[in-house]
Amino acid sequence: GAVVSQHPSRVICKSGTSVKIECRSLDFQATTMFWYRQFPKKSLMLMATSNEGSKATYEQGVEKDKFLINHASLTLSTLTVTSAHPEDSSFYICSARGWGNEQFFGPGTRLTVL
Amino acid sequence: GQQVMQIPQYQHVQEGEDFTTYCNSSTTLSNIQWYKQRPGGHPVFLIQLVKSGEVKKQKRLTFQFGEAKKNSSLHITATQTTDVGTYFCAGSPSYDKVIFGPGTSLSVIP
Repeated sequence: GAVVSQHPSRVICKSGTSVKIECRSLDFQATTMFWYRQFPKKSLMLMATSNEGSKATYEQGVEKDKFLINHASLTLSTLTVTSAHPEDSSFYICSARGWGNEQFFGPGTRLTVL
Repeated sequence: GQQVMQIPQYQHVQEGEDFTTYCNSSTTLSNIQWYKQRPGGHPVFLIQLVKSGEVKKQKRLTFQFGEAKKNSSLHITATQTTDVGTYFCAGSPSYDKVIFGPGTSLSVIP
């Protein structure tokens, strides 16, 4: 399958700072990428759908001003957690939609906010 | 709202036993996908089912899509320790919408 990378894999930051997470499709172009949040032993919670060249579509309850998404090119989407707080600590995973509507997931980013 | 449910939440089996997880949607789906997430890993795409009543096999794994396109199942024959992980179904009520089920966590006792 296609390869999706995420950077960084782990990040620890102080409360009030902003953190940027990058999601890249390495061997294919992805017009649509998804951002998920996953709590321990829980399912994937879709946060937003990122479309290249247009504004992201956020799921109900997800603050767009707090979780800034930019899909600048067909291979890169970024998620910025602004003014992070301890409750934002989580596992953030991105995925890129493939040609057959399947999703290829990145390895995830473990965010810890102190 | 639209929901995708999965049962059971957890399943512990002896190695060699069969395993089945069931997925049910509150609405008709255009397709359904299955993913596997190993402990500490990320979800990996297994398969997509599109047609009503479709059955697909991948070695010891059998996937079914219900006639009404609202339910699906994943059956593993003769489980092995490498099957350990959480299996998620993901339903698409429309092309641009994917809803993940809560997952079934499988433990295999050697």
